[in-house]
Amino acid sequence: QVQLQESGPGLVKPSETLSLTCAVSGYSISSGYYWGWIRQPPGKGLEWIGSIYHSGSTYYNPSLKSRVTISVDTSKNQFSLKLSSVTAADTAVYYCARLGNCSGGSCYSEYFDYWGQGTLVTVSS
Amino acid sequence: DIQMTQSPSSLSASVGDRVTITCRASQGISNSLAWYQQKPGKAPKLLLYAASRLESGVPSRFSGSGSGTDYTLTISSLQPEDFATYYCQQYYSTPITFGQGTRLEIK
Repeated sequence: QVQLQESGPGLVKPSETLSLTCAVSGYSISSGYYWGWIRQPPGKGLEWIGSIYHSGSTYYNPSLKSRVTISVDTSKNQFSLKLSSVTAADTAVYYCARLGNCSGGSCYSEYFDYWGQGTLVTVSS
Repeated sequence: DIQMTQSPSSLSASVGDRVTITCRASQGISNSLAWYQQKPGKAPKLLLYAASRLESGVPSRFSGSGSGTDYTLTISSLQPEDFATYYCQQYYSTPITFGQGTRLEIK
């Protein structure tokens, strides 16, 4: 059973960088699939942030692209999110998830079949 | 970007009711559509993908249909555990986008 678990600081100061890690168990990231980050501001809808393949190939939401970096560490079977210059508008529950359907390197736009439980990140001084 | 518009935004229904939620894309998405259920404090759960394919383990009272730009999620007979918020998501092209959600409440 594929399981994902987000970790990182729950409080980040404005203008600083938000950093989260998603640890994957039950499946080797090196075996395939894209892995992504999605966020949800309190009481609001879902926003895709970006996705990464084990090769390091990334796709980002243009609305966040200038501030986002997603990286992968296959030796630890995890991937990470960095979001720079945060403001209160970046306060949200951040989810990591697997993009399902197919495992190949061309499958960068898919649905999300496995999700982490989410972690709330608050941006405040 | 492909905009996804769900209707209604909220819906009140009773146990046993048949319920339909609609999702409209701003351009054709060739059935590259998924539906999720989200309960308070929980991650979204995949219900259907490819517009009409039921994810493993999801009850058969959930079904999906549609083509082109218009898609529907139907729950044939509401159960108490179905009261939640539902989201559609297109994966036809990046950026991946979601509908704004439909909150299904108990009448």
